[in-house]
Amino acid sequence: AQSVTQPDIHITVSEGASLELRCNYSYGATPYLFWYVQSPGQGLQLLLKYFSGDTLVQGIKGFEAEFKRSQSSFNLRKPSVHWSDAAEYFCAVASLIHDMRFGAGTRLTVKP
Amino acid sequence: EPEVTQTPSHQVTQMGQEVILRCVPISNHLYFYWYRQILGQKVEFLVSFYNNEISEKSEIFDDQFSVERPDGSNFTLKIRSTKLEDSAMYFCASSVQGAYEQYFGPGTRLTVT
Repeated sequence: AQSVTQPDIHITVSEGASLELRCNYSYGATPYLFWYVQSPGQGLQLLLKYFSGDTLVQGIKGFEAEFKRSQSSFNLRKPSVHWSDAAEYFCAVASLIHDMRFGAGTRLTVKP
Repeated sequence: EPEVTQTPSHQVTQMGQEVILRCVPISNHLYFYWYRQILGQKVEFLVSFYNNEISEKSEIFDDQFSVERPDGSNFTLKIRSTKLEDSAMYFCASSVQGAYEQYFGPGTRLTVT
């Protein structure tokens, strides 16, 4: 069965600093991978997704993620963090049909 | 742009009561899903629904839960006798082709007192 691990529960970065959020997955076939962002009390907003092709995918709000099959990773990056990026970030993996599995999430705090 | 809608946005109910959470998926979508997120925790898969039947369900989705597509537009999640631990945000999602392209609704916050 597919699963997702986000090793960092909470990360704090200074505004303007770079960011990398880690995600490792376990899945038997080629996975469909996603990053979602959730502000407090809000729904899930899709940042980006990877299905196939170029392993570096660009998303909204200046985020990007790189799929590394050899490391079973799909880490999210942003070169310069803004205060409005403070939120909870979820990595997810989906099968072709049945369901999507989410990681436990990483809470991002941005220091002024 | 079409979107998934959910009503109500917030529901408060007493323990033991039945609740029905409603979702209107995107009109040409064929696959429907419910997820749950307990406060401060991760999003958990509950059930997927296709061709008027459940295609997969998690261990969370026990006999207290049921889903239905009563007409051509709504997709509902019913909890027969709510427990305190059912308090969570419930997300509906839909897709055209499968789990890899789901569109999520804004969620319904269920509070059981």
